[in-house]
Amino acid sequence: QKEVEQNSGPLSVPEGAIASLNCTYSDRGSQSFFWYRQYSGKSPELIMFIYSNGDKEDGRFTAQLNKASQYVSLLIRDSQPSDSATYLCAVNPFNNAGNMLTFGGGTRLMVKP
Amino acid sequence: NAGVTQTPKFQVLKTGQSMTLQCAQDMNHNSMYWYRQDPGMGLRLIYYSASEGTTDKGEVPNGYNVSRLNKREFSLRLESAAPSQTSVYFCASSETIPHNEQFFGPGTRLTVL
Repeated sequence: QKEVEQNSGPLSVPEGAIASLNCTYSDRGSQSFFWYRQYSGKSPELIMFIYSNGDKEDGRFTAQLNKASQYVSLLIRDSQPSDSATYLCAVNPFNNAGNMLTFGGGTRLMVKP
Repeated sequence: NAGVTQTPKFQVLKTGQSMTLQCAQDMNHNSMYWYRQDPGMGLRLIYYSASEGTTDKGEVPNGYNVSRLNKREFSLRLESAAPSQTSVYFCASSETIPHNEQFFGPGTRLTVL
């Protein structure tokens, strides 16, 4: 079982809708959680990180963390075609001697005009 | 402030050839990483350097070597390239305290024939 799981998608939403991306992780002691956006042919770009239970908002993006249920989600409000990309979830595990992140496989988001 | 830079952007090698991928960061980060990304496999850590003077293996180190030349630079060497090493290679850096946000370079697309 992979340590960080994401639905590969594609997740298709109409322009202006809310896109909801989900990620589950297996290491209960994980400390920090990250969302990266990756456009086709480009490198991952950090868009949000969260380390406390609850919600964290940044513009149209909201990250949600529930450590008891071991999931983290990313909401994108007022989705735009420019949001079409693959979204990678990454987790900083508890037993992390080398500061490594564990990445999920990514969810492909398609926002249709 | 260029962030993380990588050279070259593209490379084609023949089986058995060697090459070095270069990475540099100007964010004064202590930690640097090398990942490879393959379709369906996600991002996988090859090697990392938690601080200047140290390097450690990641998930898929076989066939690679690394050198942390100084705080800014971290190179990845393929001594005898194999077709299985055809991939996109990303370098990243982070300041691990407090949350280990990693920032990625633009990538090197490597094809081994």
